[in-house]
Amino acid sequence: KQEVTQIPAALSVPEGENLVLNCSFTDSAIYNLQWFRQDPGKGLTSLLLIQSSQREQTSGRLNASLDKSSGRSTLYIAASQPGDSATYLCAVSYGGATNKLIFGTGTLLAVQP
Amino acid sequence: KAGVTQTPRYLIKTRGQQVTLSCSPISGHRSVSWYQQTPGQGLQFLFEYFSETQRNKGNFPGRFSGRQFSNSRSEMNVSTLELGDSALYLCASSKERGHEQYFGPGTRLTVT
Repeated sequence: KQEVTQIPAALSVPEGENLVLNCSFTDSAIYNLQWFRQDPGKGLTSLLLIQSSQREQTSGRLNASLDKSSGRSTLYIAASQPGDSATYLCAVSYGGATNKLIFGTGTLLAVQP
Repeated sequence: KAGVTQTPRYLIKTRGQQVTLSCSPISGHRSVSWYQQTPGQGLQFLFEYFSETQRNKGNFPGRFSGRQFSNSRSEMNVSTLELGDSALYLCASSKERGHEQYFGPGTRLTVT
């Protein structure tokens, strides 16, 4: 069964700290992996998309890496800010060009001012 | 460029009724997918549509159905509503299948 796990489930850090969120997937034959953030009661905001042939992607203070062989992805957030507080979700697609995403359970991040 | 829009944003229905939710993708996007989000099950894939054809379906009962129109807009329908159908229903669009997906704000469905 294809499963996606995110650890930790919740994280609280002081403002300015660099942090890493983890995502693990059981089947390494992924097509791509996408990171999202979700604010309470809202939809998802796309952060980064990594294709299976890529090792990392960067956008501003965010850097996502992908290691297919170990079934892991990490999202690195530099110099965290209170506005980064949200739930972060990773999602994986398999089997070629498809929009079917398998989501992890998310990491709830709180950045304390 | 306008984002993905979903209507209605909030809906309250009674058990046994049916409901139709609508999704308008970003202009130029041809692929639309639907997800259900609940506190217990998290985000679960419902359907994927491309060129008016259902390309994938999640593990949901036949009460859940959908379609896509020639302008890429999509609707999903849930018949014979159950209390467990209460959820946030999210729609996402992308230019092509397998591309980066952009989500709408969701429709909050409450079944009483």
